[in-house]
Amino acid sequence: NAGVTQTPKFQVLKTGQSMTLQCAQDMNHNSMYWYRQDPGMGLRLIYYSASEGTTDKGEVPNGYNVSRLNKREFSLRLESAAPSQTSVYFCASSARTGWESTGELFFGEGSRLTVL
Amino acid sequence: SQQGEEDPQALSIQEGENATMNCSYKTSINNLQWYRQNSGRGLVHLILIRSNEREKHSGRLRVTLDTSKKSSSLLITASRAADTASYFCATAGGTSYGKLTFGQGTILTVHP
Repeated sequence: NAGVTQTPKFQVLKTGQSMTLQCAQDMNHNSMYWYRQDPGMGLRLIYYSASEGTTDKGEVPNGYNVSRLNKREFSLRLESAAPSQTSVYFCASSARTGWESTGELFFGEGSRLTVL
Repeated sequence: SQQGEEDPQALSIQEGENATMNCSYKTSINNLQWYRQNSGRGLVHLILIRSNEREKHSGRLRVTLDTSKKSSSLLITASRAADTASYFCATAGGTSYGKLTFGQGTILTVHP
């Protein structure tokens, strides 16, 4: 049972470099999410995809782009990395979506990114 | 901005004691969820309580929800050292279409 798989697990970038975080889920979920977690803080939503073919901004989208490649995969791209993007990034998926219903989220193990 | 505010930020107890964590939120919700995060790992879903429910149990977990006070509590009974983790509340619904908004978390340490 793989669940939600994120790659890479660790990455060090220099300021200005670009990279893509990959996420895949094998649970046939409709919705997928990218969150970032900084020390002492909760999770902040970067982007989400309620269903295949749609993406929407979350709380902190600046400096990021996303692609919902298909139902399984949702990638997060940093076009020009900045030190402020040093964080742990979590991908998650959910079976349910709707105006008033967001069910249980399943999380990956995280991708730890350092921008020097 | 964070929807949920958790209290206390850190809690240290002995094995066998009960642990209570509180969560307050600002806007109307459809449901409230609690998650656990072990150090260096992803979050794991513990329990979901809907806005029309007042209390829910799962094993040693008891969650209450008071929508009039916009608050929830998570009680872990008979804590074990393995319960040491961070616990987060997350809210769904209201203006947060299709997504969860997380609080800052409570760090629970259970001493053997």
